[in-house]
Parts: sequence; structure tokens; C-alpha cells
Amino acid sequence: DQQVKQNSPSLSVQEGRISILNCDYTNSMFDYFLWYKKYPAEGPTFLISISSIKDKNEDGRFTVFLNKSAKHLSLHIVPSQPGDSAVYFCAAAPLGANSKLTFGKGITLSVRP
Amino acid sequence: DSGVTQTPKHLITATGQRVTLRCSPRSGDLSVYWYQQSLDQGLQFLIQYYNGEERAKGNILERFSAQQFPDLHSELNLSSLELGDSALYFCASRGQGFTEAFFGQGTRLTVV
Repeated sequence: DQQVKQNSPSLSVQEGRISILNCDYTNSMFDYFLWYKKYPAEGPTFLISISSIKDKNEDGRFTVFLNKSAKHLSLHIVPSQPGDSAVYFCAAAPLGANSKLTFGKGITLSVRP
Repeated sequence: DSGVTQTPKHLITATGQRVTLRCSPRSGDLSVYWYQQSLDQGLQFLIQYYNGEERAKGNILERFSAQQFPDLHSELNLSSLELGDSALYFCASRGQGFTEAFFGQGTRLTVV
């Protein structure tokens, strides 16, 4: 049972435009949500997170939006750059120190120059 | 550099064999997580240790086992290997007060 779903396996956008990566979850116990970026032959690196008490968190070109009623979150990248081309994983975890992170299958983002 | 070290980076072994993957977490991090990434499967949670004790278990096969030692490093043991065990195995660690986990570079296991 996939508790974190990234239904689109890939996304291609033009450099300078906005990239919108979507993620859905089913577990109401999830309390915070994270996005990771992964380049080939490297481990995932943390990008940005959001707590369930917020609906938006921004860090430079990256913004994560959370819609709790729809159990949906999205990552916006503006403007997109070729270096952003990577696999992006959405993850979620319940409240509690050192709870486990549940990941989606990932979305491959390609930013065209 | 995430501060999480995994060895070896690559491992090629035959079916039926046993291997040990090693993970050194970031300094001071008490939690260690193991994930498996197979083709098109995302990051599958295997097991979590916290300060030497098993904290959570995912879809880990009975042929697989793990432990966390007093110095907090962790080992993932895979035995009776099958072709389908070929995957990337990632270790991550997390510290108190952090929401995010930090990943190592992974071990690519190829079973032939």
C-alpha cells in the first residue's frame, strides 16, 4: 500500500519556467513532509520541508505547498534551471522524534535549456 | 557531503552468497535508517535503529538482518542472495531535533 504517491513519473519544462511537482498521501497521521533531490550515482539530498501546521514554506527558488484537506502537496521551482534536472522524492513522517520517513517513487524532472 | 558514510560503494557477488553493507552515521546521530532502491520502486524502507535498538521495520526480507553497534555504526546483512536483490541500498541518519534525514552515497549491489 503506497502511502505516499507521486503519480507522474516524469516532467519536462523549459529553462526559466516554473516546475510543479505533485505528491499525494493517504495517511492522516503524517505530520510533516519533505522533498529530496537525487542525482544519478548519489544519495538523496534534502531540499525543503513543511510541517502540517503550515500551508506554505519557501526557500529561495523552492516553495512547498500543503493542502491537508486534499492530502496533497506540491513543490514549485521558479525559475527552473538545467541543474535542477534530477529525480525528486516526496517523503512524509508522523509526529515523533526519529519517526520513519515514507517515500514516494520519485519524479524525474528534466529542464531543457 | 552529508556526513553519512557507506561502504563499499559497489559490490558484485554471486547468487546464494552473503554480504555485509556498512554505514557510519553523522556524528551524534542516534537514528539509522536503511532503504532499498530497485528499478522503478522508489525508496523502500527496510529497517530503523535508534541508539542500538530496532525502532521500526518495513518490508525487510527474512534473509536480511541489521544491527546498530555501540559506536552507532550500522550493518545490513543480506544472505542467500538472489538476482532480485540487486539494487541500491541507502543508509540515512537523523539527529534529535531534525526533521530531515541525511543520506549516504549508497551501495550498489549486483547479484550475478
